[in-house]
Amino acid sequence: DGGITQSPKYLFRKEGQNVTLSCEQNLNHDAMYWYRQDPGQGLRLIYYSQIVNDFQKGDIAEGYSVSREKKESFPLTVTSAQKNPTAFYLCASRLGGIDYGYTFGSGTRLTVV
Amino acid sequence: AQKVTQAQTEISVVEKEDVTLDCVYETRDTTYYLFWYKQPPSGELVFLIRRNSFDEQNEISGRYSWNFQKSTSSFNFTITASQVVDSAVYFCALSDPTGTASKLTFGTGTRLQVTL
Repeated sequence: DGGITQSPKYLFRKEGQNVTLSCEQNLNHDAMYWYRQDPGQGLRLIYYSQIVNDFQKGDIAEGYSVSREKKESFPLTVTSAQKNPTAFYLCASRLGGIDYGYTFGSGTRLTVV
Repeated sequence: AQKVTQAQTEISVVEKEDVTLDCVYETRDTTYYLFWYKQPPSGELVFLIRRNSFDEQNEISGRYSWNFQKSTSSFNFTITASQVVDSAVYFCALSDPTGTASKLTFGTGTRLQVTL
């Protein structure tokens, strides 16, 4: 079955460490997105990519980095510069225009210990 | 700037009650799309409906119905005869203009709790 796979589901990180969240899709979608979800704040856009080897900052990109070397993969690195990284991270993809809407992964819950 | 407001943070109803989730949006664009997503406890967002700015027809899908009114910039969602399985967080979202990155702006969500 086609879909988006995010791994791991739960991730614990020590302060000062970088950590990478995986997002893989087999839907042949062009665009991919990373959102951060905090209680009571809805979803906020971190980074997005419309094609391979190209990506743009979203509303809260500081302290994060991404790459898009393959169409299927859009990993997110949470760096030590991110002041408050504990959150739920959702990856999404979209086939074409906005009328297609998004397909979401099941998320990764990151906790800084 | 685009904005989506879901003023209801949490709603609790008893099974079989009808419930309406409110969504008010702000945009300067004449062409846009509105969405509703459901987030069950598993975390994944599930697509429910898409509506474009030129289609103000209300829609009914089973127990779900949507009321889109451009005059009041609202896109409300009603669940008829709610069930325990409807318990989730529901998000309303607004697209950016067609032809750009097609980013979605989400509201803060409404948590619906349906009890027996």
